[in-house]
Formats: sequence, structure tokens, C-alpha cells
Amino acid sequence: AQKVTQAQTEISVVEKEDVTLDCVYETRDTTYYLFWYKQPPSGELVFLIRRNSFDEQNEISGRYSWNFQKSTSSFNFTITASQVVDSAVYFCALSEEGSQGNLIFGKGTKLSVKP
Amino acid sequence: DAGITQSPRYKITETGRQVTLMCHQTWSHSYMFWYRQDLGHGLRLIYYSAAADITDKGEVPDGYVVSRSKTENFPLTLESATRSQTSVYFCASSVEQGRGYTFGSGTRLTVV
Repeated sequence: AQKVTQAQTEISVVEKEDVTLDCVYETRDTTYYLFWYKQPPSGELVFLIRRNSFDEQNEISGRYSWNFQKSTSSFNFTITASQVVDSAVYFCALSEEGSQGNLIFGKGTKLSVKP
Repeated sequence: DAGITQSPRYKITETGRQVTLMCHQTWSHSYMFWYRQDLGHGLRLIYYSAAADITDKGEVPDGYVVSRSKTENFPLTLESATRSQTSVYFCASSVEQGRGYTFGSGTRLTVV
């Protein structure tokens, strides 16, 4: 069965610190997709990134970077030089090839960035 | 307006009443989903649909009914609301499996 674990329930950092949010997944499929979503205090879910299981290249987008390691079934998310606007709940999610598009979410990590 | 819209944004209903949450998308995406979000549980899938007239149960379907007579609409009905169904409900759509999923703004439902 597919499963996503975000072991960090809450993280608090001071502005400009780097922070890494962990995501570990379980799947039996060889083809799957991994996602990160951001949920700011306003409540909407904002898509950040999508990765398929055949693309292990790390990705950087501005202050955000993602480290995908199939060997450890992890898809970690790092924010460099965090800002107050990064304060949000971050969700990691998994979709298996045969699941008709269903997204299975982790329980989320609440990040608080203090000035 | 283009996108995915949910209505109402907020709803208070009484136990035992039937309530329908609406979801409309303008992209003609094949896939649509309903999730509920509760503290400590993250987002859990209620129902999903791969195309018009095709729906299937997710992780927590009990007490809910869906229909999809048109590609763009995917209403979620609580047949007899219970307090345990107090939650924030999100609708989502996707053009194909594995693509980015776009979520609506959510409906905050309170059952009293």
C-alpha cells in the first residue's frame, strides 16, 4: 500500500535560516509521482513541484530545492534563507501509476518562520 | 472565470440534514477528486472520478455520495450530516494521472 510519512509535525526557524522538510514514501510501483504542496494560513493549496519516479535529478527553484533519492524513498524539500512568507503547512504527496490519479498525502509539516 | 471553483466557501448545517458541496472546473480535466482535511489527518480522499459517469470510492467514502453527469461538475452530497463530517473540503482536478493537481479554495463545513 502506498504511504507518505512526514515525521516533522512542526518546525520553527528564524528568518534567513535554511530548513529541510522530510518526506519518506512507500510504494510497490515502479512508476509513480511525487508532489509538494504549500498551504499558507489563507488555506488554499498551492502546487510547488512534481517529480516522476524516473527522474532523480534534484531541482532548484529560487530558494527552494528538492532532493529525490529512490534508494532511501525520500523526497526532501529545502528552503534556503527562509522568510516569514514561507510560514505555511507543507504537504508531500504520492500518486501511483495504477491509482487513477489519486494523491495520497502526508500529514503535513507546519513551518513557522519568525522574524 | 477560468479555474476550479467551490461553493459555498462556508456552510453551517444541522445534524441529519442533507447538504451538497459544489465543484466546477473550466478546463475539461478528466480527473476530479474530493478530499477532506482534518487536524492530525492531513488530506484524505473521499471520492474520485476519472471521467463523466465514472466515480469510485477513496479512503473515507462513508456518508458521502457523488455524481458526475458532466465533465465540469463534481458535486459532493452528505446525505445525513453528522458532527464528524465537520471539516474543510477540497475539490481538485487534473488533466491526466500524474500531472499537477489544481485545488479549489475549499469549503469549510460545520455540522452542529
